[in-house]
Amino acid sequence: SQTIHQWPATLVQPVGSPLSLECTVEGTSNPNLYWYRQAAGRGLQLLFYSVGIGQISSEVPQNLSASRPQDRQFILSSKKLLLSDSGFYLCAGGVGGGTDTQYFGPGTRLTVL
Amino acid sequence: RKEVEQDPGPFNVPEGATVAFNCTYSNSASQSFFWYRQDCRKEPKLLMSVYSSGNEDGRFTAQLNRASQYISLLIRDSKLSDSATYLCVVDLSSSWGKLQFGAGTQVVVTP
Repeated sequence: SQTIHQWPATLVQPVGSPLSLECTVEGTSNPNLYWYRQAAGRGLQLLFYSVGIGQISSEVPQNLSASRPQDRQFILSSKKLLLSDSGFYLCAGGVGGGTDTQYFGPGTRLTVL
Repeated sequence: RKEVEQDPGPFNVPEGATVAFNCTYSNSASQSFFWYRQDCRKEPKLLMSVYSSGNEDGRFTAQLNRASQYISLLIRDSKLSDSATYLCVVDLSSSWGKLQFGAGTQVVVTP
């Protein structure tokens, strides 16, 4: 079974600073990968998904970008953080296809001050 | 209308009691349904998939009603450890497995 690793667990960053969150997958090849954000008391919002190396699709226009430089690595970035970027960032992986069960990493709690 | 709607709760349940709650979805073409559990400040974890005929996993029973477009989760003999937020998840019938998560139903099991 696959395991999703994320780090760091917690991050406090000033407004205007850059961001890089990394997600790696263990135990499977060519997974679908997803970045979600969960604001306090809210549901999960899909930010990006990737079906393969270099293939990124964005779900909502925003201040963030994603990259997939390797099969089992997914990176979420920002050049300049906004206050509204605060939230709980979750990476998920799935085996692909139309009935994709997704498994989540432990998440990164980001606070932008 | 939201694609997946849940009663946010909280559902306050005495230990040992039964609790049930529903989730409605708007996409009649959806084929895959799941319940996830999320503890406070933790990642969601898959609780169970929901099959057309309904399915049971220990004290948990999930049902799907396609005609009315809702799924349900029933928890029997509630334990204190069942306290969590339960997320209803529905696929959006895309080729790459996009899922829509509900905002969750909070369950609080009390001694």
